[in-house]
Amino acid sequence: QVQLQESGPGLVKSSQTLSLTCSVSGGSVNSGTYYWTWIRQPAGKEVEWIGRVYTTGSTGSTHYNPSLKSRLSISLDTSKNQFSLKLSSMTAADTAVYFCARGIRYGSSEFFDIWGQGISVTVSS
Amino acid sequence: DILITQSPSSLSASVGDRVTITCRASQRISNYLHWYQGKPGKAPKLLIYGASSLQSGVPSRFSGSGSGTDFTLTISSLQPEDFATYYCQHTYNIAPTFGQGTQLEIK
Repeated sequence: QVQLQESGPGLVKSSQTLSLTCSVSGGSVNSGTYYWTWIRQPAGKEVEWIGRVYTTGSTGSTHYNPSLKSRLSISLDTSKNQFSLKLSSMTAADTAVYFCARGIRYGSSEFFDIWGQGISVTVSS
Repeated sequence: DILITQSPSSLSASVGDRVTITCRASQRISNYLHWYQGKPGKAPKLLIYGASSLQSGVPSRFSGSGSGTDFTLTISSLQPEDFATYYCQHTYNIAPTFGQGTQLEIK
């Protein structure tokens, strides 16, 4: 049974970089079958797709939400069976619950069959 | 960009009721529409993918229908554990987006 678990700081100062990791158990991130994705939801607001990473042969490929692309990096660590998110220049607008999820390709992107429980991240001034 | 409009934003119902939630896309998206259940502090749960396919392990009281621009999620007989927030999501573009959510509350 595949499980995902987010880890990282719950509090980040404004202008700093958020680093989150998603640990995958019961399956391999090196499977080319799936996308490994970050999603977030600010309190009272809509769920937002952040971006994805996936393996293509021996390399990893990424796609990012255009609204975050300039500040975002998502990477895969196959040796640790993890994937990570780095979001720079954090502001109060980035305060949200961040989820990692496994994506199954459908159409031009993916739906998410397995999610982590989420990690609440607050940006302080 | 494709806009997904989900309605209603909130809904009060009783155990045993039949409930329908709707998502409308701003352009035709074939069957690239999926439904999730979310509860505070828990991992969101995939209910329906491809507009009408029931995810493994999801009770059969959940069903989805629609194609093109109009989609519905139906819960045939509400159970206590179904009170939650429901989201739709499309995968027509490379960047998927979600509906605004429907909060289903106990009447």
